[in-house]
This record gives sequence, C-alpha cells and structure tokens, in this order.
Amino acid sequence: DQQVKQNSPSLSVQEGRISILNCDYTNSMFDYFLWYKKYPAEGPTFLISISSIKDKNEDGRFTVFLNKSAKHLSLHIVPSQPGDSAVYFCAASRGGGATNKLIFGTGTLLAVQP
Amino acid sequence: ETGVTQTPRHLVMGMTNKKSLKCEQHLGHNAMYWYKQSAKKPLELMFVYSLEERVENNSVPSRFSPECPNSSHLFLHLHTLQPEDSALYLCASSQDGGLSGELFFGEGSRLTVL
Repeated sequence: DQQVKQNSPSLSVQEGRISILNCDYTNSMFDYFLWYKKYPAEGPTFLISISSIKDKNEDGRFTVFLNKSAKHLSLHIVPSQPGDSAVYFCAASRGGGATNKLIFGTGTLLAVQP
Repeated sequence: ETGVTQTPRHLVMGMTNKKSLKCEQHLGHNAMYWYKQSAKKPLELMFVYSLEERVENNSVPSRFSPECPNSSHLFLHLHTLQPEDSALYLCASSQDGGLSGELFFGEGSRLTVL
C-alpha cells in the first residue's frame, strides 16, 4: 500500500501560468515533506521542503502548501517556465526529515509549453 | 562534475551474469543509499549505509549484494538477476543525522536484464 500518492502522472501547463502538483499521504506520523525534481538522464535533485509545524514554505517561484487535516500537500510553481519541465517527486518522512526514512511518490511529469 | 557519480550509466546483462554497479560521492557525506526506480512505481529504498555500516535493508533479494568499503564508495553486486530487476538504480548520499531530508542523487545506472 502506497503511503505517498501522486495521482496525476502528468500535467501540461502554458508558460507563464501556475503549475500545481498534488500529493496525498496516508501516514499521520509523517512530519516532514519534500519535493524533488528530476530531468531525463539525471538523478533527482532536492527542490523544497516543509515541516509539519508549518502550512506554507516559499522559495522564489516555488511554494509548498501543507494541509495536515486533509493529509495533502501541493507544490505551486508561478510563473511556470519551459525549464521547469521535469518529473516531480513528493516525499515524506517520520523523524523530522531523517534521510533514511524518506518515502517517495510515483512522480508527476510536468510539461510547460512555450 | 556532479557530487555523486555512478558507473556504468547503462548495463545490459544476462540472467547468469555477474556485474557490479559503482557509486562515488565527493561531498564528504557519511551516509550512502541505493534506490531502485521502476516504471510507474515510487523510488524504492534498497540499502542504507551509515558510517560504512549497513543500517537498513528493505527486504531486498539476496541476488543484490551491497558493499561499502569506505564512506565515499558504494557498490551493488548483481548476480543471477531476473528480467523484472530491469530498472534505474540510483545512488544517493547525505550527511547522516542531518534532518533536512536532502539526499544528493547520482545520475543512475540503467540496468536491463535479458
């Protein structure tokens, strides 16, 4: 049973518009959440994270929102750029972001159209 | 040069072959990981080494055998694999004990078992 779910395998957005990637989790013990980005032929790279004591974290064009009651988090990218086209993985952990306890989702392929 | 390098990038092997995947990290981290990425599945943690000692083995079949001779190098020895083992194998490193949740991934080794 998947504890971290990304139900949209793909998303297409026009350049300049907002991209919203969603992630749901089932384990209420998760207390740290992350987004990773992966280009083809490269390994995933860390993008942004949020602790369960917060409901929003912003870094430039990227904002992650956490709704603990719904066990849902989302990544907003605005404005979207063609270079943002990649696979985005949601990940969650117990123990405050301990790296050996990360559980990943299946990923969402974002395509930003020029 | 990336902080985590993996060789070979691509490997094709028969079910009776023995091969090894190599990973090297240049970041001064003290924890290293093997992940498996299969199509349409989440990233699956296979092995974790912290300070060169294996701390987690997520019920991986014995046909996968890890080796961590020092904190900078990690190997995955492969023997009598099955076609369903074909996947992208990702190595990652982190500073163990850190709570950022940030893993640094290599570019992956694409394995095809015939």
